[in-house]
Formats: sequence, C-alpha cells, structure tokens
Amino acid sequence: AQTVTQSQPEMSVQEAETVTLSCTYDTSENNYYLFWYKQPPSRQMILVIRQEAYKQQNATENRFSVNFQKAAKSFSLKISDSQLGDTAMYFCAFMRSPTVNAGNNRKLIWGLGTSLGVNP
Amino acid sequence: EAQVTQNPRYLITVTGKKLTVTCSQNMNHEYMSWYRQDPGLGLRQIYYSMNVEVTDKGDVPEGYKVSRKEKRNFPLILESPSPNQTSLYFCASSLGVTSYEQYFGPGTRLTVT
Repeated sequence: AQTVTQSQPEMSVQEAETVTLSCTYDTSENNYYLFWYKQPPSRQMILVIRQEAYKQQNATENRFSVNFQKAAKSFSLKISDSQLGDTAMYFCAFMRSPTVNAGNNRKLIWGLGTSLGVNP
Repeated sequence: EAQVTQNPRYLITVTGKKLTVTCSQNMNHEYMSWYRQDPGLGLRQIYYSMNVEVTDKGDVPEGYKVSRKEKRNFPLILESPSPNQTSLYFCASSLGVTSYEQYFGPGTRLTVT
C-alpha cells in the first residue's frame, strides 16, 4: 500500500524568504502523480502544484517549485518570496496513474500536513 | 464558473438523526469522491463514483451511503449519525478516466452530539 509522510508538522518563515517543505512516499508503482495542496484557514483545498512521475523535469508554478527525486521517493515543495497569504496547511498527496488499471486510480493518498506560518 | 458546491457548509446534529450532505459539480465530471478529514488521521476516502449509477467503497465507508443518479450530484447520506462521524467532509470531482486533477468543494463541517 502507498503511504505519504510529511515529517515537519509545523514550520515558520519570514516574509520574502524561502522555505522548503518535505514529503516522502512509498510505492511500488512506476507511474503516478504527486501533488501539493494548500488548505488556508477557510479550509478550502487548493491545488498548488503537481508532478507526473514520468517527467524528469521538476514542476514550477510561479513562486512554487518542487524537487522530485524519484529514486529517493522524495517530493519537496519550495516556496520562494514567501507572502503572508501563504500561511496555511500544506498537504502532499499521491495518486496512482489512472492508466494502470480499471480500479479506483484517482484516490488521493495524503500526508498529515505541514502547518506553515509566514511572519511579517 | 466551474466549481464543486457542498451544502450545508456547517451542520450540528444529534445522534441518530438522518442527514444528507449534498455535492454538485457543473463541469460534467465523471468521477466524484467523498473524503473526511480528521486531526492526526489526515484525509481518508469514504466513497467514490466512476460514473452515473457506479459507486464503490473507499477506505472508511462504514456508516455512510451515497448515490449517483445524475452525473452532477453525489450526495453523502448518514442514516444514523454517531459522534465519531464528527469531521470535516470534502467532495471532489475529476473529469474522466485519464484525468489526474481533482477539484474540491469548500468542505462541510459536521458535528454530531
């Protein structure tokens, strides 16, 4: 069974600085997707960034980028130029490739989250 | 606007009183799913639906029912709620078989006393 581990329950960063959130996962699959979701105090679940396992290039979305190390099963999120609005819980999630078989391949398996506080 | 909606957003109820949390999406998505979020346990899948009239259990289905009579709606039914079903519930939807991106509703905070 797949598992996702976020080893940092809480982190803080000063506004405008850079912070990296860690995520490791365990799977025997070769094709899968990894995601980072943001959950602000409103509790809405917002997709931040995604990575396809078959792509070697790390995904980037504006100030957010990932360091995907497939062999090490590591998927960290880097937030550059941190803003007060980045304060939130951040969840790492895993999903098997929908093309693997006809089963429930869109189930997201979640880490327990990292609470990030951005200080002014 | 493309979105997933849930109602109610907040609900306080008593043990044993049947309730339904509605979920609706306007994106013509085939796949829909329910998760519950609990401190220390994270998000866990309750039920999912691959298409109309096709539903199946997730990891924590006990005490819940679902139906998918229309493509856009996927209600979550608690026929006899218990305090251990106090949780934050999310509905999510996804386009089709090869789609990996899921869209989440705003969440429903349920308290069962």
